[in-house]
Amino acid sequence: GQQVQQSPSSLVLQEGENAELQCNFSSTATQLQWFYQSPGGSLVSLLSNPSGTKHTGRLTSTTVTKERRSSLHISSSQTTDSGTYLCAIDRVGGSNAKLTFGKGTKLSVKS
Amino acid sequence: DPKIIQKPKYLVAVTGSEKILICEQYLGHNAMYWYRQSAKKPLEFMFSYSYQKLMDNQTASSRFQPQSSKKNHLDLQITALKPDDSATYFCASSQDNYTFGSGTRLLVI
Repeated sequence: GQQVQQSPSSLVLQEGENAELQCNFSSTATQLQWFYQSPGGSLVSLLSNPSGTKHTGRLTSTTVTKERRSSLHISSSQTTDSGTYLCAIDRVGGSNAKLTFGKGTKLSVKS
Repeated sequence: DPKIIQKPKYLVAVTGSEKILICEQYLGHNAMYWYRQSAKKPLEFMFSYSYQKLMDNQTASSRFQPQSSKKNHLDLQITALKPDDSATYFCASSQDNYTFGSGTRLLVI
């Protein structure tokens, strides 16, 4: 079965609203990373958060390792936040690292 | 300045032909990877290299061959191209976290 499940699959917001994206994974993870994929396709790392809570700018990620879930909170969304948010886990780490990605949450922020 | 350079950005190839996708990283990372993103599928791991040695290969077909001529290079040779190979191919590197290149969008006709 799918090892990384993301919800919702799509989300439409009005500018200024907050977004909560979820990621559940079926195996232990040594690394968990959130990525943003632009409509043009380029991939940007947002946060690396294998456990606990991390903030950067308007983004907050909380990972509860024991429960195998992570969330990404986007506050005060902007139209430029539109794109796909991907969650990925690495089960092995080290020199044999291998990311497994979810299908993503497609976010659309309207003005 | 881009830290991982992938060339070309777009590539159209004829079925049966051979192409090489170029990847160079300037992050000083020892681990490099190739991932593939096909239409409506999640990003999929293909290969991992560490210190220019193959660590893991999740690609069933031998038509896909990574080539590492230098520590910061990991090219991907694809032979006998098929329409199903059409996808965006991402190169990545890692130390503690991953960094991805901007991808090569391949269309096989």
